Amino acid sequence: GENVEQHPSTLSVQEGDSAVIKCTYSDSASNYFPWYKQELGKRPQLIIDIRSNVGEKKDQRIAVTLNKTAKHFSLHITETQPEDSAVYFCAAGRGYSTLTFGKGTMLLVSP
Amino acid sequence: GAVVSQHPSWVICKSGTSVKIECRSLDFQATTMFWYRQFPKQSLMLMATSNEGSKATYEQGVEKDKFLINHASLTLSTLTVTSAHPEDSSFYICSARDPGLSTDTQYFGPGTRLTVL
Repeated sequence: GENVEQHPSTLSVQEGDSAVIKCTYSDSASNYFPWYKQELGKRPQLIIDIRSNVGEKKDQRIAVTLNKTAKHFSLHITETQPEDSAVYFCAAGRGYSTLTFGKGTMLLVSP
Repeated sequence: GAVVSQHPSWVICKSGTSVKIECRSLDFQATTMFWYRQFPKQSLMLMATSNEGSKATYEQGVEKDKFLINHASLTLSTLTVTSAHPEDSSFYICSARDPGLSTDTQYFGPGTRLTVL
């Protein structure tokens, strides 16, 4: 089955800095890669996703890049704000099928 | 995005009792829903895939007789934790796909925190 590794487990940045979270996956058949943000005690919220037919996707301060050859994808957050503080999960899967989640990254943005 | 609700949001029960958790898709029909379990400061672990009108597909290591899943309609899936024990205490979250929006995006419910005394 799929195996997703996520790094780092914790990330502390100053407000205004950029944050990068990286994930690798094992199943070359995976073609869907979402990122979720989860605040304490809340539901995971989809923030951005990418499919294997594109290499990069951007939505305002958030971007995701995908390298299918190396089987890794990354989340980039620019101009971080304190409200970006949360746990971020990457996931990988095939369309119509299940998702495998990474272990999560706790992002702390200090004012 | 699609809206998924769960009920109850939290429940406390005695050891040996059964607890039912409901997952509803509010503004769409979901032929497939997923049940996850999340321990504190840990990731989302898929327990089972719930298919409307058919048996659920359980992940390896998940006891199907302990975690009963029923998906009797296109908007409701239920998870029943039978004979609950303290080690079953966890955060249970469901998700669903809205085929009208995307065939692969999962939208999560708010979760149910189960505490077994």
